[in-house]
Amino acid sequence: AQKITQTQPGMFVQEKEAVTLDCTYDTSDPSYGLFWYKQPSSGEMIFLIYQGSYDQQNATEGRYSLNFQKARKSANLVISASQLGDSAMYFCAMREGLGYGGSQGNLIFGKGTKLSVKP
Amino acid sequence: KAGVTQTPRYLIKTRGQQVTLSCSPISGHRSVSWYQQTPGQGLQFLFEYFSETQRNKGNFPGRFSGRQFSNSRSEMNVSTLELGDSALYLCASSLDDKQPQHFGDGTRLSIL
Repeated sequence: AQKITQTQPGMFVQEKEAVTLDCTYDTSDPSYGLFWYKQPSSGEMIFLIYQGSYDQQNATEGRYSLNFQKARKSANLVISASQLGDSAMYFCAMREGLGYGGSQGNLIFGKGTKLSVKP
Repeated sequence: KAGVTQTPRYLIKTRGQQVTLSCSPISGHRSVSWYQQTPGQGLQFLFEYFSETQRNKGNFPGRFSGRQFSNSRSEMNVSTLELGDSALYLCASSLDDKQPQHFGDGTRLSIL
């Protein structure tokens, strides 16, 4: 079973509008972290936002916010006021086993969502 | 502060050859992870190094190996290259497990 599921292979949004990119995850570990990355066509992976499983509030970073619904195991990324430069692939990722001192250092990635912003 | 630096950016090899990719992490970061990205399989974890020790390993054949030096710089080696090894290889570093991983620009490897 996939641990990270991104059900939207591609999405379009009008410039200046908000868009939500979906991400659901599967883990039995109580301690985990969720990350969103942006990958433009040039290839580099850019960290956007992080949510820890024990965080009480939804994470926000500028125009990015994370709609974290722990019981539903979803961590949707909301981009407000879309800009043309937001056109890119967006990846949701999870790291399990945080805080135990043991290592689960790797990220598990979803397949990604290609976002296209229309002028 | 300099980011994660990967060299070379592009590489063309032929089947059967071997290749070494290099990654210099952000200063102070001791954890370095490697990922392979292909259109078919997406992003897959290769291995992670922390303080010169391999701490975690993904499901890749033994042809894929790596190491980390005392200055945290890491190298990844692929021997007996196959066509399917054509991919973008990404290196990421982090301060610790609770901090985000920061990625380099990647090395795009093409096998002819």
